Amino acid sequence: AQSVSQHNHHVILSEAASLELGCNYSYGGTVNLFWYVQYPGQHLQLLLKYFSGDPLVKGIKGFEAEFIKSKFSFNLRKPSVQWSDTAEYFCAVRPGNAGNMLTFGGGTRLMVKP
Amino acid sequence: GAVVSQHPSRVICKSGTSVKIECRSLDFQATTMFWYRQFPKQSLMLMATSNEGSKATYEQGVEKDKFLINHASLTLSTLTVTSAHPEDSSFYICSARDRGRDPTDTQYFGPGTRLTVL
Repeated sequence: AQSVSQHNHHVILSEAASLELGCNYSYGGTVNLFWYVQYPGQHLQLLLKYFSGDPLVKGIKGFEAEFIKSKFSFNLRKPSVQWSDTAEYFCAVRPGNAGNMLTFGGGTRLMVKP
Repeated sequence: GAVVSQHPSRVICKSGTSVKIECRSLDFQATTMFWYRQFPKQSLMLMATSNEGSKATYEQGVEKDKFLINHASLTLSTLTVTSAHPEDSSFYICSARDRGRDPTDTQYFGPGTRLTVL
């Protein structure tokens, strides 16, 4: 079965610092990749997604992620975080032959200090 | 667009009772909805896939007689936790996909329902 690993469980940054959250998956075939964000007290929202084409995907709120097939990775980045980025971030993978079944990573809790 | 709602947002019940949670797609038709469970400080675990007009598909280890899923219309799926016990206490989240509008089949998530069984 496929798995998704998010190596950083907790990240604390100061405002304006750069952010990179790791996501690795274990599936050798075609995958669709997603990053979701869950702000405190809110539901999961889609940040960005990769299906095909340019491996560098730009999402909302200045986030981007790069799909590196050889490394089975889809890391999330933001050059300068804000206090409002404090949230939990989930990476999710959907194998190309799995219907719509998403497998989620364990999540990374980001705290941005003002 | 692509708004998914859940009701109730929070429920507390006694052990042995049944609890029904509703998931609605508000501005689109969802042929498929998904039910997840999220334990504290853990990720989402898919419980079942609910297809309109047919039986739900349960993930391994999920008791289908305990977690009854009904997807009677294109905008509503319900999850009933039968004979709830304290170990069923969790955060239940549904999602839906809007295949008609979004060919990428992105899932849109509801706000979740926190179930506490005393």
